[in-house]
Amino acid sequence: LAKTTQPISMDSYEGQEVNITCSHNNIATNDYITWYQQFPSQGPRFIIQGYKTKVTNEVASLFIPADRKSSTLSLPRVSLSDTAVYYCLVETRNYGQNFVFGPGTRLSVLP
Amino acid sequence: NAGVTQTPKFRVLKTGQSMTLLCAQDMNHEYMYWYRQDPGMGLRLIHYSVGEGTTAKGEVPDGYNVSRLKKQNFLLGLESAAPSQTSVYFCASSTLVDSYEQYFGPGTRLTVT
Repeated sequence: LAKTTQPISMDSYEGQEVNITCSHNNIATNDYITWYQQFPSQGPRFIIQGYKTKVTNEVASLFIPADRKSSTLSLPRVSLSDTAVYYCLVETRNYGQNFVFGPGTRLSVLP
Repeated sequence: NAGVTQTPKFRVLKTGQSMTLLCAQDMNHEYMYWYRQDPGMGLRLIHYSVGEGTTAKGEVPDGYNVSRLKKQNFLLGLESAAPSQTSVYFCASSTLVDSYEQYFGPGTRLTVT
């Protein structure tokens, strides 16, 4: 299993762009990078997933360099409602289950 | 679509008691999972299932058993509850195609005294 490392916490202000970087030095060829968001007292929610280069959806962008040993989740113009814990996962696509949720990054958006 | 539902939402047990947590999904997903989340911690996988009638151990399976008799249901059992099993339990399901996105239930808050 590829181990991931993320900052434990980050602070930002409303309207700013937030970038959260995840390190996964042991990522394998068949692994995908997935990010989840969790609000207090709720289950995590899927944000975005990628394999290489850049992926963008309506809520975030995911940047993955060519060596894939890290990835950066970018949240444009955050608001107070983006205060949450963000988890980076490296998932292996094969029979069974190969991923681990780390402790995540606690993002606090300040007014 | 209700998505993923969990029953009950809250439960208090005494040490040594048993209980079963029920997870149901209406998305026809093949994979289902049980996690526990302790305060301030990430999620830890207890058991998972890749299809009806199959189960497998995750990261922290001791003290728990599971069953998947129907594709839409995944049951988590505690045979003899211990205070160390006080936690929030989340169930999730996912498909085998596209992003393998996991859909999570609202959680069950379990306290063992």
